[in-house]
Amino acid sequence: AQKITQTQPGMFVQEKEAVTLDCTYDTSDPSYGLFWYKQPSSGEMIFLIYQGSYDQQNATEGRYSLNFQKARKSANLVISASQLGDSAMYFCAMRGFSGGYNKLIFGAGTRLAVHP
Amino acid sequence: KAGVTQTPRYLIKTRGQQVTLSCSPISGHRSVSWYQQTPGQGLQFLFEYFSETQRNKGNFPGRFSGRQFSNSRSEMNVSTLELGDSALYLCASSFRQGADEQYFGPGTRLTVT
Repeated sequence: AQKITQTQPGMFVQEKEAVTLDCTYDTSDPSYGLFWYKQPSSGEMIFLIYQGSYDQQNATEGRYSLNFQKARKSANLVISASQLGDSAMYFCAMRGFSGGYNKLIFGAGTRLAVHP
Repeated sequence: KAGVTQTPRYLIKTRGQQVTLSCSPISGHRSVSWYQQTPGQGLQFLFEYFSETQRNKGNFPGRFSGRQFSNSRSEMNVSTLELGDSALYLCASSFRQGADEQYFGPGTRLTVT
């Protein structure tokens, strides 16, 4: 069975500092994809970054980078230079092809609060 | 390029009624997936449609159904509403199955009283 674990219910960070949000996963699929989404209080899920299991390099998108450690089955999100607008819920999700091509399994989420 | 749109944004229904939610994907996207988000269960996959065919279904009762039209717009229907169906319903669109990016709409917040 596929599973995503986010062990940090809440995180605090000072503005302009970097923060790492943890995500571990479990799957028996040889090929899978890992996603991070941001959900502000408005409810919309905002796509941040994607990492494929066979990608050789860690994914980066602006201030977001994904620290992918395949052997440890972890896919941590690193946000550099935090901004007040980064305060939101963050979800890690996985797509394994045996479960369906576009079916995402989500973690419980981490609530990030950025302080000025 | 317009994003994923969902209508209505908010809905209040009574137990036993039925409801239909609509999702219009990003132009050119042919895959639409639906998710239910509740405080207790988190985000759970409902079903996925691609080229008007249901490709995958989550572990939900038969009261939850959906369909996709030729223009890729999708609707989901919940019949005989229960209090536990109160949730944020999100749809996601992607260009194809197995795409690297899935974009979500703003969601429909359903309250069942």
